[in-house]
Amino acid sequence: EVQLVESGGGLVQPGGSLRLSCAASGFTFSAYYMRWVRHAPGKGLEWVATIKEDGSETSYVDSVKGRFTISRDNARNSLFLQLNSLRVEDTALYYCSRHGPSRSFDLWGQGTLVTVSS
Amino acid sequence: EIVLTQSPGTLSLSPGERATLSCRASQSVSNNNLAWYQQKPGQAPRLLIYGVSSRATGIPDRFSGSGSGTDFTLTISRLEPEDFAVYYCQQSGSGSPPITFGQGTKLDIK
Repeated sequence: EVQLVESGGGLVQPGGSLRLSCAASGFTFSAYYMRWVRHAPGKGLEWVATIKEDGSETSYVDSVKGRFTISRDNARNSLFLQLNSLRVEDTALYYCSRHGPSRSFDLWGQGTLVTVSS
Repeated sequence: EIVLTQSPGTLSLSPGERATLSCRASQSVSNNNLAWYQQKPGQAPRLLIYGVSSRATGIPDRFSGSGSGTDFTLTISRLEPEDFAVYYCQQSGSGSPPITFGQGTKLDIK
């Protein structure tokens, strides 16, 4: 089955860190750009980061630059997002997603919840 | 940044009716890289339309997309009970950020 499964979310204090993981299966993971998207409570969807197939290029939304790091391990079919210096406004459901045709998002995981609160 | 504005915010219709959802971009969308997603409560978004008008795998033909430049439309020709959800448009371009989403249109049962 083609799927993405996220893990690693939780409750963390402001200034803390978390590492999110996404396990891919059912497709050739190493052939795709991969992305993270988040959905904050009461807000719309927000693209967070993208990584190239081989991990050689990454890009981020301005609000997370210098704090979040996207990475991947193609041998383990896994995508990661390291979240540092977390802020209350980073509270959201974080989705792992696959780059699709016309730069769409054609496959999504179920999400992992990150809550930043004191 | 390309801002996508969706309208209406909420659309109340009955099963069997036609739904027309709008997505307007603040600048022209590059290479027709405009997509539409459906999201139901407790579920991840699902890709419906990519490249303005191409249906994703497994999407019924009652869903169609159209438009160009800055004005785009998602049409559901005849609403089924399972179509009541939130719909988002999304564009990819060369700006900063390169990927943005609209704020969503909630399609409610009347």
